Amino acid sequence: AQTVTQSQPEMSVQEAETVTLSCTYDTSENNYYLFWYKQPPSRQMILVIRQEAYKQQNATENRFSVNFQKAAKSFSLKISDSQLGDTAMYFCAFMLRSNDYKLSFGAGTTVTVRA
Amino acid sequence: NAGVTQTPKFRVLKTGQSMTLLCAQDMNHEYMYWYRQDPGMGLRLIHYSVGEGTTAKGEVPDGYNVSRLKKQNFLLGLESAAPSQTSVYFCASSYTNRGPTPEAFFGQGTRLTVV
Repeated sequence: AQTVTQSQPEMSVQEAETVTLSCTYDTSENNYYLFWYKQPPSRQMILVIRQEAYKQQNATENRFSVNFQKAAKSFSLKISDSQLGDTAMYFCAFMLRSNDYKLSFGAGTTVTVRA
Repeated sequence: NAGVTQTPKFRVLKTGQSMTLLCAQDMNHEYMYWYRQDPGMGLRLIHYSVGEGTTAKGEVPDGYNVSRLKKQNFLLGLESAAPSQTSVYFCASSYTNRGPTPEAFFGQGTRLTVV
């Protein structure tokens, strides 16, 4: 079974500043995918960013970027220029194509952006 | 385009009662999943389906049953609800053949309370 660890239960950041969320995972496979999901108070699961393990280049989506360290099995999310609307729970998730595309989630990190 | 729709959004059950959660997707996805979300534990897979007429157990299947009689629908049943099944339930669907990276699409969640 794949395990995903998010070691920061809560993070707080001032508006317009940068916050980095950590995520580590454990797998013996080589072909996998990593995701960060955002869950605002509305409860909806929103895909923020994705990374294919075979790609060395780190994924970027506007203010969101990742630092993917395959050897270290680390997948951190950086939120730049934080906005009040970024306040949410963030989940790191792992997916194996060879395992029926099932997602394994971390416990989540609650991010609060302060005005 | 509705995406993934869950019914109902909220429900309160008494211990021992039964109920069925309905998930419907209009994206012609082969794969469908049921997850439960509990505080501090992220999302955990209950059951999933890789196609019409198929079902398989996930990480926490006990106390639940599922059926996939039609490709677009995936039902989650609780035969005899227990307080430990108080949770938020998410349905998701995923395509497998389009694009370089598979992606899961989530419903809006069902908050179930068993008293």
